[in-house]
Amino acid sequence: GAGVSQSPSNKVTEKGKDVELRCDPISGHTALYWYRQSLGQGLEFLIYFQGNSAPDKSGLPSDRFSAERTGGSVSTLTIQRTQQEDSAVYLCASSFGDRLSSPLHFGNGTRLTVT
Amino acid sequence: AQKITQTQPGMFVQEKEAVTLDCTYDTSDPSYGLFWYKQPSSGEMIFLIYQGSYDQQNATEGRYSLNFQKARKSANLVISASQLGDSAMYFCAMREDNQGGKLIFGQGTELSVKP
Repeated sequence: GAGVSQSPSNKVTEKGKDVELRCDPISGHTALYWYRQSLGQGLEFLIYFQGNSAPDKSGLPSDRFSAERTGGSVSTLTIQRTQQEDSAVYLCASSFGDRLSSPLHFGNGTRLTVT
Repeated sequence: AQKITQTQPGMFVQEKEAVTLDCTYDTSDPSYGLFWYKQPSSGEMIFLIYQGSYDQQNATEGRYSLNFQKARKSANLVISASQLGDSAMYFCAMREDNQGGKLIFGQGTELSVKP
């Protein structure tokens, strides 16, 4: 079946503009996660959804970052007034529930470059 | 304090030899899960293996095994009979039962397999 789909795959934007990143999880996966990966670094947790609610937003770096999920499916991560330090690969993942043993299945990411 | 520590930024191994990638973790939650992921240069995150804190036996998946030493809080990944295609970044991650569904990742180890 289809994996996690993210769009766009690449986004170049000017400093100060807003951007929206989209994630389409694996069908039937109730949990959805956003991570950020800077060049050569590990994955930084941003936010996690269970259904449409976000019980853990602790990783969002500032109030410029927000995310929503509708219909228990597609999620959008919005970055307002982008800054150069926002440049990174944004990875979305989904899992079948959030049991301890449920692995995350990742999309291929959106590479964001802020000029 | 770092939740997940991977102390080897880079490792080299000869093709067909075994290699161990180190991972130590920090948690006070008695119930947790440990994961290893592979990230080739293409950028995709590939789930390799899972170990639960209450599992009595070390996890194995094909050429991958997890050397789980609970008292030392270590969860090292062992790759047997290395192949050129094993060259990639490897990330250790933990999910704590009392922290919801998110995985916390280490900084990764870059493995290079030499022919």
